[in-house]
Parts: sequence; C-alpha cells; structure tokens
Amino acid sequence: DIQMTQSPSSLSASVGDRVTITCRASQGIGNYLAWYQQKPGKAPKPLIFAASTLQGGVPSRFSGSGSGTDFTLTISDIQPEDFATYYCQKHDNYPLTFGGGTEVE
Amino acid sequence: EVQLVESGGGLVQPGGSLRLSCAASGFTLGDRYMDWVRQAPGKGLEWVGRLRNKANGDTTEYAAAVRGRFTVSRDDSKNSLYLQMNSLKTEDTAVYYCARVYCRGPSCPWSEDYFDSWGQGTLVTVSS
Repeated sequence: DIQMTQSPSSLSASVGDRVTITCRASQGIGNYLAWYQQKPGKAPKPLIFAASTLQGGVPSRFSGSGSGTDFTLTISDIQPEDFATYYCQKHDNYPLTFGGGTEVE
Repeated sequence: EVQLVESGGGLVQPGGSLRLSCAASGFTLGDRYMDWVRQAPGKGLEWVGRLRNKANGDTTEYAAAVRGRFTVSRDDSKNSLYLQMNSLKTEDTAVYYCARVYCRGPSCPWSEDYFDSWGQGTLVTVSS
C-alpha cells in the first residue's frame, strides 16, 4: 500500500505568516490528493482536491500544488481561524490513505 | 443543506458487535458513494470502508484492518447508512465519521473522489 507522510508534524506560526505543509507519497499518485482541516472535537473540513482545486467556500489564501509524489499546502497570510490540524489524503485508488497530520499552532 | 448525523456509538466488550447509523438529509444517499472514516483518540484519520451508489451496484470496499468484520449497508427508505461492526477489538476504539464522496455523476472518477461532507462523529469504545 502507498504510504502518505506529512511534514512537519507540527509547526508554530503567527497571524499573517505564510505557512507551507508538505505531503509525500511513497509511490506516484498523479494529482489525486486532497487536503482537510480539522479543529479539536470537530469533523474534518475539505479544503482542496485534485492537488490544487479549492473546495467551494474555501478562502483563496489556501492553495495546493504538486503531482506524482510531492505535494504542498500553502496558507498565505494565516488567520486566527486557520490554527488547526491539516491532513492530506490520496484519492487515486484503494486503500484511501491519510497522512499523519500537521498541527499548526 | 447537506447534513449527516451519526449515532449508535458506545462501550462494547472485545469480541462484541455494534451497529452505527448515519442519517442523511439534503440529498439522496443511494445516488452517492458513502464512506466511513475513523479516528482513534489523539490519532490521525483512517479510512474504514465504502458503499458505492445504486448506479454502481451498491458494491463495497474495505480497509484491510476491518475486512471480514465490518459491513457497510444502506436503507433507502430511511436515507440512512450503516456500519455493522463484529468481532470488535480494542484497536477499533475511535470516533467514527460517515462521509459523502464528492463525485457528482453516477460514476466516480478518481479526480472527484474526495470527501465533501462529514458527520459530527460517534465514539466507539472497545474495552473490558
């Protein structure tokens, strides 16, 4: 099975910073990668699919890029409501697999 | 408005069974792929299983960790999704979410195969 590895596992940021999270697949997955945001005690919220397509209603300060094995989620000008844990997920085949998460604090 | 509401979680002994429900509103369950995803306490997300839509024969897929023990099904008259969990193990302890797959048409290309709506989750604790 393809493994998804996120880095870093946590990071500290200040309001207004530009934040970058990396997700690496153990094998190529094309551009079939999604990103989710999760706040404590809440369900995940979809942000991006197909590596770079923003889910409706997601602020444009969120962006995704990459293909093959290396992907990034960038939050430009991070806002207070963006402090959360972020997960990547491959959606190219079964099993669907998530990365281990990156906590932005 | 799309809404997913899970129920049925609780405390169960190892080896026991439990059935989770996910009541959907705002759309017809049978038209969409639906999945279960779980999250162990303090851990990351783990995909559990899938039920495809009627157009794709209501077929299922499961993660290796639950295959043969868990079954995903649907009751169209109640617009509800279910997860039957048998032979439960302590490592099945988690919050279980039902999630709708985005795919808009009867088929589901991988390019659209991500989760666009989630329920609030229900906690399953497997312990003696």
